[in-house]
Amino acid sequence: QKEVEQDPGPLSVPEGAIVSLNCTYSNSAFQYFMWYRQYSRKGPELLMYTYSSGNKEDGRFTAQVDKSSKYISLFIRDSQPSDSATYLCAPGGSYIPTFGRGTSLIVHP
Amino acid sequence: DAGITQSPRYKITETGRQVTLMCHQTWSHSYMFWYRQDLGHGLRLIYYSAAADITDKGEVPDGYVVSRSKTENFPLTLESATRSQTSVYFCASSATEGSGGNTIYFGEGSWLTVV
Repeated sequence: QKEVEQDPGPLSVPEGAIVSLNCTYSNSAFQYFMWYRQYSRKGPELLMYTYSSGNKEDGRFTAQVDKSSKYISLFIRDSQPSDSATYLCAPGGSYIPTFGRGTSLIVHP
Repeated sequence: DAGITQSPRYKITETGRQVTLMCHQTWSHSYMFWYRQDLGHGLRLIYYSAAADITDKGEVPDGYVVSRSKTENFPLTLESATRSQTSVYFCASSATEGSGGNTIYFGEGSWLTVV
């Protein structure tokens, strides 16, 4: 079993939809939970991160962590075509984070 | 401009040839990384460096060599390229190992095809 599992998609939604992107992980030592966004033919960039369990909101984006079930979610409200990208979860501790495979999101007008 | 740059951006090489991918960052970040990204496997760590003259293996180091004589440079060498090394290679840097709010900054990628 890989340390981080993420459905590669693609996930196709209409503009304005609420999007839910998810990851599961196996290492209970993970404390930090990062989400990176990667546009086509570009390098990933940090979107947001959370520490331990709970929610964190940043504009239209909400990151949620449930450490008891080792489940990480990223919600996007009012999705826009500009949100079309690959989203990689990256849980970590005081060491190099482990990246998921990424979920490809397509938001069509 | 400050940032992280990779060269070449695109490269086609033949099996058995030696190839070096260059990476340069202007932030004086301690940590530098090399990842490869393939369909079905996602982003996998090849090698990383915590400081000049300190390097360590990642998940998929076989067939690759790195060096870091200067903080700002972290070249990746494929000693004898194989078709399985056809991939997109990303160099990255970070002030720390990259957890929490310590962002890992990625370059634009180097597309390598081995024929």
